Amino acid sequence: ETVMTQSPATLSVSPGERATLSCRASQSIDSNLAWYQQNPGQAPRLLIYGASIRVTGIPARFSGSGSGTEFTLTISSLQSEDFAVYYCQQYNRRPALSFGGGTKVEMK
Amino acid sequence: EVQLLESGGGLVQPGGSLRLSCAASGFTFTSFAMSWVRQAPGKGLQWVSTVSGSGGRTYYSDSVKGRFTISRDNSKNTLYLQMNGLRAEDTAVYYCAIRPASSGDLGPLDYWGQGALVTVSS
Repeated sequence: ETVMTQSPATLSVSPGERATLSCRASQSIDSNLAWYQQNPGQAPRLLIYGASIRVTGIPARFSGSGSGTEFTLTISSLQSEDFAVYYCQQYNRRPALSFGGGTKVEMK
Repeated sequence: EVQLLESGGGLVQPGGSLRLSCAASGFTFTSFAMSWVRQAPGKGLQWVSTVSGSGGRTYYSDSVKGRFTISRDNSKNTLYLQMNGLRAEDTAVYYCAIRPASSGDLGPLDYWGQGALVTVSS
């Protein structure tokens, strides 16, 4: 099983600042990585797939990078609606899919 | 507009059974693989199972294999999850989610329903 580890667990950031979230895979997953955003009481929303491809309609302040085992989600200038929990997901090691434990981005 | 509406959640005793449904609309049902993903209270996301657009291929996580069965009725645009031998650790919100079948059965999940809560407790 491919284990996905996200860090930090909680990130405290002020509005307008940059947030950098990390995701590490226990073995290489090439670029088969997605990022999701989840607000309290809501379903997750797909932000990025293929490690760096933004879903249509997702603001350009969200960007993804990385390949192999190390990945990053960057939010360039945090808006109020961006304070949420973010999950990474690998889909390289089929038939299993796996998610990271999540990073909560909270207001500083 | 894509809509996914889960139903069938509730309280069940350990060892019991429950069937979840996910009614879909707003897209060509057979063109999408469908999955169940769960989230225990206050915890992260866990993939449970996926079925191909035709229903001919199914995939399960090790934690539910042999106890849960995923299926779909393409005439009713509905996805199901039959859950048997339920355990306390199966307590979670269960989401249904979809991805285009042309992109492969397993991958990023484009749209999600709002979830159904399953509580396993005596």
